[in-house]
Amino acid sequence: GESVGLHLPTLSVQEGDNSIINCAYSNSASDYFIWYKQESGKGPQFIIDIRSNMDKRQGQRVTVLLNKTVKHLSLQIAATQPGDSAVYFCAEISDRGSTLGRLYFGRGTQLTVWP
Amino acid sequence: DAMVIQNPRYQVTQFGKPVTLSCSQTLNHNVMYWYQQKSSQAPKLLFHYYDKDFNNEADTPDNFQSRRPNTSFCFLDIRSPGLGDAAMYLCATSSHREQGYEQYFGPGTRLTVT
Repeated sequence: GESVGLHLPTLSVQEGDNSIINCAYSNSASDYFIWYKQESGKGPQFIIDIRSNMDKRQGQRVTVLLNKTVKHLSLQIAATQPGDSAVYFCAEISDRGSTLGRLYFGRGTQLTVWP
Repeated sequence: DAMVIQNPRYQVTQFGKPVTLSCSQTLNHNVMYWYQQKSSQAPKLLFHYYDKDFNNEADTPDNFQSRRPNTSFCFLDIRSPGLGDAAMYLCATSSHREQGYEQYFGPGTRLTVT
């Protein structure tokens, strides 16, 4: 079956440094990906998305890179701040056949930002 | 602000005692989802409604049911909660079911089973 997973369960960075969170996916037919941020006790919050016809997409302080050759996705956070501390999930939406509308989440990476 | 609201935020129920969690949305989205999230795990889809069309995941236990009386509201009913059902329950909405349309999540209801 399809799966979206993360390489590292935890990541600690110092405030001001850049953060890179990685994600591997197994479904080569996947063509839409989302990064979510989930703070403790809250629901996931949309950060940025990317389609498979793109290699890179930038938002405010965040960049998502997609490497379809190795089925790898990454989220880069520039100048990481304490408020960025959260669990980050990559997710794929599938719209094929019976899996229409399903959001497949990866395992999650806990990002901790130290002052 | 348009949003997804879940009530209550915290729910305590007894083993075997039916419980209902509620979700409402002001986004007027066609699709509403229910996810279960256990500690340190990713959210797991239980089922979703596309308008009034109910779509159950194959591995969702029969103990879990859902109702959507109108566009704005969706309920999750747990008929006989077990200790293993203690989790965060997340409601999400989307304007479309296809890829390319993000899902907006509510704050979740944390369910404790005693």
